[in-house]
Amino acid sequence: QSALTQPASVSGSPGQSITISCTGTSSDVGSYNLVSWYQQHPGKAPKLMIYEVSKRPSGVSNRFSGSKSGNTASLTISGLQAEDEADYYCCSYAGSVVFGGGTKLTVL
Amino acid sequence: QVQLVESGGGLVKPGGSLRLSCAASGFTFSDYYMSWIRQAPGKGLEWVSYISSSGSTIYYADSVKGRFTISRDNAKNSLYLQMNSLRAEDTAVYYCANTPTLWAAFDAFDIWGQGTMVTVSS
Repeated sequence: QSALTQPASVSGSPGQSITISCTGTSSDVGSYNLVSWYQQHPGKAPKLMIYEVSKRPSGVSNRFSGSKSGNTASLTISGLQAEDEADYYCCSYAGSVVFGGGTKLTVL
Repeated sequence: QVQLVESGGGLVKPGGSLRLSCAASGFTFSDYYMSWIRQAPGKGLEWVSYISSSGSTIYYADSVKGRFTISRDNAKNSLYLQMNSLRAEDTAVYYCANTPTLWAAFDAFDIWGQGTMVTVSS
């Protein structure tokens, strides 16, 4: 399967909201509600932020939310904070597992 | 505390072999599906392999099929990845990660280890 498509970078100021898109196909994002999002700070392991499109694991801030429309999933971060600056990856089931290429979030 | 700790990485020549281990603690290992995911230097994440909680169901990415073998020992709370016929393109940080069996098999990767670096170079 091909990787899911994410913007290479997004940016926002503290307090603002940003949305990261994740575009797949009818064979992955469009067919399954098994979309997850991961946050990765430099030199660190990824951390699960959203699973099953919009569910938050225990301990993840409610500033993080997920949604899906058709073949595109989205991660929204509201009330941006400096510590949100990181790389973000989407992931979907597609018969196996496919990741997006990653989006670098810069907090201005 | 819930923890996954990988080990076994290192420098290996093309065509060589390496065995990675992932030690689990702080949770009931047999209640989780397990996966290996890798990340080449400066690149994104790539799923490598999955094993069910009992070890009876296994899947591989096409890029490693026939060369890598995943296994687990629930009595030892450990996950393994035997990597043979290694290539330069296998150079990456290898992470183990778990998925609760309460979720779907390929739902999401909940807890991740810190990773172990594998470098394939002559």
